[in-house]
Amino acid sequence: QKEVEQNSGPLSVPEGAIASLNCTYSDRGSQSFFWYRQYSGKSPELIMFIYSNGDKEDGRFTAQLNKASQYVSLLIRDSQPSDSATYLCAVTGAGGTSYGKLTFGQGTILTVHP
Amino acid sequence: KAGVTQTPRYLIKTRGQQVTLSCSPISGHRSVSWYQQTPGQGLQFLFEYFSETQRNKGNFPGRFSGRQFSNSRSEMNVSTLELGDSALYLCASILGTGSDTQYFGPGTRLTVL
Repeated sequence: QKEVEQNSGPLSVPEGAIASLNCTYSDRGSQSFFWYRQYSGKSPELIMFIYSNGDKEDGRFTAQLNKASQYVSLLIRDSQPSDSATYLCAVTGAGGTSYGKLTFGQGTILTVHP
Repeated sequence: KAGVTQTPRYLIKTRGQQVTLSCSPISGHRSVSWYQQTPGQGLQFLFEYFSETQRNKGNFPGRFSGRQFSNSRSEMNVSTLELGDSALYLCASILGTGSDTQYFGPGTRLTVL
């Protein structure tokens, strides 16, 4: 089992729709959860981070965390063609020995078509 | 506030050579992590430095090494390059105390021929 798994893509949604990206993780001690967006040929750009169970909203983006189910998701409302990119879920490990280490999922390619 | 800078942006080397990549974190950030990104393996953690000390290391061979200077700038070195080392090498800047959020630099694209 991979440490961080994302829903297989690619995901295609029409402009204005809600895009739902999902991620599960295996380390029950994971403490911090991140979503990055990566455009082709560019480096990952931080979109959201979440530490506590529940929802966290920032503009059109909502991150949801359920530690009991070891599940984190990202919802993008009113999707725009400019949202077309690869979305990466990243997780830190349990305190102490996980300094500076993010474990990434394989990424989900999102395409928003006009 | 300036972002994370990495130099060089592109590099072409041949097998057996060695390479040094540089990263300057965001001003005030004291921790730097390095990652390798390839199409097949995705983003993989190499190592992390805080206050000139390596605190964590990923599962890479000893050919991959790094260091951090007193001004928080970091370098990573890859010796005896192999074709499989061709990748995008990313540096991430971390505040280092009280926050584990990582901000990535633009990366160095290394091609080994």
